[in-house]
Formats: sequence, structure tokens, C-alpha cells
Amino acid sequence: EIVLTQSPGTLSLSPGERATLSCRASQTVSSSYLAWYQQKPGQSPRLLIYGASSRATGIPDRFSGSGSGTDFTLTISRLKPEDFAVYYCQRYGSSPTWTFGQGTKVEIK
Amino acid sequence: EVQLVESGGGLVQPGRSLRLSCAASGFTFDDYAMHWVRQAPGKGLEWVSGISWNSGSIGYAHSVKGRFTISRDNAKNSLDLQMNSLRAEDTALYYCVKASYDSSGYSDFWGQGTLVTVSS
Repeated sequence: EIVLTQSPGTLSLSPGERATLSCRASQTVSSSYLAWYQQKPGQSPRLLIYGASSRATGIPDRFSGSGSGTDFTLTISRLKPEDFAVYYCQRYGSSPTWTFGQGTKVEIK
Repeated sequence: EVQLVESGGGLVQPGRSLRLSCAASGFTFDDYAMHWVRQAPGKGLEWVSGISWNSGSIGYAHSVKGRFTISRDNAKNSLDLQMNSLRAEDTALYYCVKASYDSSGYSDFWGQGTLVTVSS
């Protein structure tokens, strides 16, 4: 069973700064079946990135994903006030089983 | 417009059962796998169970295996989760989630969730 470990747990940054979030898998994630989600308080999660680096429909280009194998990164180039939220990585695959990381909270410094 | 509406949550005593349902609309239901994901109060996302488009492939988290059963009715565009032998640690908001492919894929749409509270 693949375990996803996200770091850091909390990231304190100011608007306009760059955010770099890490997601490390305990085993290779095949075919880069790795997605990222954003969740704001009281809301359902929203898909940001799939296939490790493909942006979902309507997601601004300040969000980018990279990585392969066991190490993946979500980068927010210049934080806007609406980007302060919790971010989760997810491993998916060819069978209906998923794994989520524990989340990274991006908070205003 | 894609809609996923969960129902069936509530307060239940430990050891009892509860059945959650999800009514889907706005897409061709039997073209996609479906999942249940839960979130305990103040905690992160935990995948619970998933089912392929034709119910041919099903998966469960270790924490619920043997207690929960997922099922779908493609004729009624509905997804269910039968939860037996409930425990306090099953207390969470349960989301119905649409996958991006017929057998699995990432999640591209989430419902608003239904709250399950297990307490005496």
C-alpha cells in the first residue's frame, strides 16, 4: 500500500510569495497518477492538477505540478489571498483505490 | 451541470448501522467509477471505498473493510454505502465523489457531503 507524505505540514507565507509543497510516495507512483486538490474551510475539495503536471479546467497558470516516481511538487508562483487553503495530494490508478496525503496548510504570514 | 447529492447521514450509536446514498445527475453515470471519501472534524481526507462503472472492481480502505459495502444502481444513477458495526472513529463528513474514468482515475467532482456522527 502506497503512503503519501506531504511536507511541510503548515506553510506561512505572504501574498505574492512563492509556495512550494511536497508530496513523497513510499513507492513509485506509476504513470504519474498523482493529483492535487485545494480545500477551503466549509467547502468540498477542488481538483487543481492531475497526471502530476496537467492543470484542471479553469485552474490559473500560477498553479503548476511537477515530479515523477516518488517525489512530486505543487508550486504556486505568486500567492493570491484566495490561495490560502489546505492542499492534498492523491495517488490514483487503474483500479478504484485512492490514497491521500495528510495535507499542507498554506496560511497567511 | 454535474450534481452529487448525498443523504442518509445522522447520529447513530456505536455498533449500529447506517446507509448513505448519493443521487447523481448531469453526466452519464454508468461511464464513471465512483467513490466515497470521508473527513473527520478538523482532519484530512480519507478515502473509504470505490467502485468501477459496472461494479466489477471494488476497493475498500483497511479501516472499513469487512464493515462497509459500496454498491451502485446505474439504472437509478445512485451510489450507496452500507455501514455496519459503526465506531466512534467513523464520525466524519462523507463525500460522494465522481472519478474521471470508468475504472478509476482522479476525482473531478465532489458532493457537499453528509455528516455521520457515531456516539452513544
